[in-house]
Amino acid sequence: EVQLVESGGGLVQPGGSLRLSCAASGFTFSSYSMNWVRQAPGKGLEWLSYINSVSSAIYYAVSVKGRFTISRDNAMNTLSLQMNSLRAEDTAVYYCARGFYGGGANNFYMDVWGKGTTVTVS
Amino acid sequence: DIQMTQSPSTLSASVGDRVTITCRASQSISGFLAWYQQKPGRAPKLLIYKASSLGSGVPSRFSGSGSGTEFTLTISSLQPDDFATYYCQQYNSYPYTFGQGTKLEIK
Repeated sequence: EVQLVESGGGLVQPGGSLRLSCAASGFTFSSYSMNWVRQAPGKGLEWLSYINSVSSAIYYAVSVKGRFTISRDNAMNTLSLQMNSLRAEDTAVYYCARGFYGGGANNFYMDVWGKGTTVTVS
Repeated sequence: DIQMTQSPSTLSASVGDRVTITCRASQSISGFLAWYQQKPGRAPKLLIYKASSLGSGVPSRFSGSGSGTEFTLTISSLQPDDFATYYCQQYNSYPYTFGQGTKLEIK
């Protein structure tokens, strides 16, 4: 079964740091790009970051660029998100999602999602 | 950044109804549009990709259409399990962006 399991969420003070992890199983992790998406309480979905299969292409949303760092360990089938300088507005459920090639030069939709991990900045 | 605007924000309908949700992009996205369904406390689930291709295991009552900047998600005959929030998302260019969501409620 294809599965993504996030961990590492919790309560952190403003200005603090947290590292999220996403453990992948049931598929060849090293062949897929990955994303982080978050959802603040009662709000919509916000895409945060993308990393391709070999970590040579990385993109961030403006809201987290310079504070968050995405990375992956293909040997350990793990995706990570290092979050620094956290703010109250970073409070959200954080999802990892697999990127599936959708045609074009660099177009990937998100076909598999984890259940999410909750980050509270207060 | 490409802005995605969904309408309506809330939709009330009954089991068996045919419903349509619209998503407009601020510029052409070349059909690189996905639709997701999300239920409270659950992760989003892929319904449609490339504007009109059905995701794996998604019932055929869901369909997508559109091109350029205007897209629609149609549910041909609402089932009780379909009451949820629906999001469109463009994956034409980074940063990827979502619509604000459409909450489908039971009338």
